[in-house]
Amino acid sequence: GAGVSQSPSNKVTEKGKDVELRCDPISGHTALYWYRQSLGQGLEFLIYFQGNSAPDKSGLPSDRFSAERTGGSVSTLTIQRTQQEDSAVYLCASSLSADTQYFGPGTRLTVL
Amino acid sequence: KQEVTQIPAALSVPEGENLVLNCSFTDSAIYNLQWFRQDHGKGLTSLLLIQSSQREQTSGRLNASLDKSSGRSTLYIAASQPGDSATYLCAVKNFGNEKLTFGTGTRLTIIP
Repeated sequence: GAGVSQSPSNKVTEKGKDVELRCDPISGHTALYWYRQSLGQGLEFLIYFQGNSAPDKSGLPSDRFSAERTGGSVSTLTIQRTQQEDSAVYLCASSLSADTQYFGPGTRLTVL
Repeated sequence: KQEVTQIPAALSVPEGENLVLNCSFTDSAIYNLQWFRQDHGKGLTSLLLIQSSQREQTSGRLNASLDKSSGRSTLYIAASQPGDSATYLCAVKNFGNEKLTFGTGTRLTIIP
């Protein structure tokens, strides 16, 4: 079946603009995760959803970052007033249980 | 706080050789450990998942072992091929925590 998909694959924006990144998890997967991968920091956890609820938002770096999930499926990660340090690859993963997480191809965000 | 380390950061070996990648973690109260590969500019592909109660898992030419008490895991690749060239990441999930904590990865190059 289809894997995790993310859009856009690449996003270039100007400093101060808002961006929205989308994740479509594997159908039926109740858990959804967002991670960020940057050169200096490696791969870092941002937020976890179980259904439409986010019991763990501990990795969101500032209040400019927010995420939502609707219908227990699609999730959107929003970054407001983007800064250059937000440039990174944003990865989404989903899982059916507490076990294997399946990752999407990522969105490469570049803030000029 | 869980910390995951992978040494070496980069490894080059001739085609056909067997090799071992190392992963160490500081908090032994893990729920599971997962090995991923990441091709350049791509997302993560899950290779093997080892539950905390298990000692090893095998898939084809790959074998992953886990020694929880010493905080170590190894990924053994037999008869390496140029197609194995990628960055290999290990990640751990702790009890009571849904997120994965990633190591910084080992960039593997198989020389034809």
